[in-house]
Amino acid sequence: DAGVIQSPRHEVTEMGQEVTLRCKPISGHDYLFWYRQTMMRGLELLIYFNNNVPIDDSGMPEDRFSAKMPNASFSTLKIQPSEPRDSAVYFCASRGAGASYEQYFGPGTRLTVT
Amino acid sequence: KQEVTQIPAALSVPEGENLVLNCSFTDSAIYNLQWFRQDPGKGLTSLLLIQSSQREQTSGRLNASLDKSSGRSTLYIAASQPGDSATYLCAVIMVNDMRFGAGTRLTVKP
Repeated sequence: DAGVIQSPRHEVTEMGQEVTLRCKPISGHDYLFWYRQTMMRGLELLIYFNNNVPIDDSGMPEDRFSAKMPNASFSTLKIQPSEPRDSAVYFCASRGAGASYEQYFGPGTRLTVT
Repeated sequence: KQEVTQIPAALSVPEGENLVLNCSFTDSAIYNLQWFRQDPGKGLTSLLLIQSSQREQTSGRLNASLDKSSGRSTLYIAASQPGDSATYLCAVIMVNDMRFGAGTRLTVKP
């Protein structure tokens, strides 16, 4: 397996624009997590899915953020409208149902909002 | 609320030294603990995962220990090398949540 795949790897956009980040989890994994990493706040869990269903979105900062998982092999994180303070690295991770709860991380998307 | 603290925030050592990175957490009701490495501008690479029933895990020059009752974990790196320079993050795994420490930025000087 190629691991968790994220696209794009880098995104630069202007304030007010819509941004869509994409993630393909490892095949067979039934949990998917979205994280955000900033210098100020470190790594924060935004939302996670189990079997394509959002379970906990309490980490989503505000209504401008939304996430979907239409099928087991694809998820999106959307920011509309984007703001400069959304600039961060966004990671996607997936996990199987095994007892280890080990998560596997994608390479991240570096978002810059000007 | 689970809080994860890593000490020190930064560490610089000469090549060849053995070193210890510390991680502490406030709620001992965890399932597992995972150590990651992150290189600048890169993603997270899993180093070691310790299940709650285990006390330690070893991989090459790395050894991680876990003491759930005291809320502590350590990552021991033997015979450090310049290639070990990176940020090391510990993460505490609960049922369906994962909390990260802020990381220790390690520099190993040749």
